Amino acid sequence: QKEVEQNSGPLSVPEGAIASLNCTYSDRGSQSFFWYRQYSGKSPELIMFIYSNGDKEDGRFTAQLNKASQYVSLLIRDSQPSDSATYLCAVENPGGGNKLTFGTGTQLKVEL
Amino acid sequence: GAVVSQHPSWVICKSGTSVKIECRSLDFQATTMFWYRQFPKQSLMLMATSNEGSKATYEQGVEKDKFLINHASLTLSTLTVTSAHPEDSSFYICSAPDRGRETQYFGPGTRLLVL
Repeated sequence: QKEVEQNSGPLSVPEGAIASLNCTYSDRGSQSFFWYRQYSGKSPELIMFIYSNGDKEDGRFTAQLNKASQYVSLLIRDSQPSDSATYLCAVENPGGGNKLTFGTGTQLKVEL
Repeated sequence: GAVVSQHPSWVICKSGTSVKIECRSLDFQATTMFWYRQFPKQSLMLMATSNEGSKATYEQGVEKDKFLINHASLTLSTLTVTSAHPEDSSFYICSAPDRGRETQYFGPGTRLLVL
C-alpha cells in the first residue's frame, strides 16, 4: 500500500513568516514529487514539482527533497493571507503511467 | 500552464438517475486522463485512468459498471455515474498530464449532489 503522509494541521503562521509543510512517503522507488494548493471548494493547482535531491526554488516557494529519508517539504517565504489553503503532497507511483498518490493535505492559515 | 475544463461544474440529481461529466483538454492532446473523487475533508482518491482508444483501468474498489468512462478523442474523457445514490455525492475532478508528461493539470471539478 503506497502511502503519503502529511500533518493535517491547521498550521498557523503570521503574515510575513516562513511556512514549512512536510510530507513523507512510503515507496522508496518514487521519483517524482509534487505540491498542489487547494482552496476550499476548488480543485488543486500545481505549485511545484521536484525530482532531484536538494532544493528547488520558484519565487516564494522552495521544495526540498531527501530521497534517503523519504521526505519532501515545501517552504513558503513571506507568507501572505492569500496563501491560506490546503497543501497537498503528491507522489508519482513508480513504474510510469503518471499515477499520483496524494496525502491528506495540510491546512495552512496565514494570520494578519 | 495547460488548461483542462470540466462540465458541468455542479449537478443535483435524484437518486437512481445517471450523470455524465465531461473533461476536456483545451490546448493539448491527452491520451491519458485521470478521474479522482474527493469527499469533504479528505484527499483526492484516484478512481480510474482513462485511456484514449481503449478501456479505462480502474483502481481497486471502484465499480467499473457504476462509473463508466469513455475516452472518445484525444481531448475528451467522460465519466458517467450510473444509478447515482446519495453516497455518490462528492467532488469529481479530472486531470491530464501535460505534453512532456512531467506533471498533471486538474480540471475545476464537478460537484455532484444526489438527493
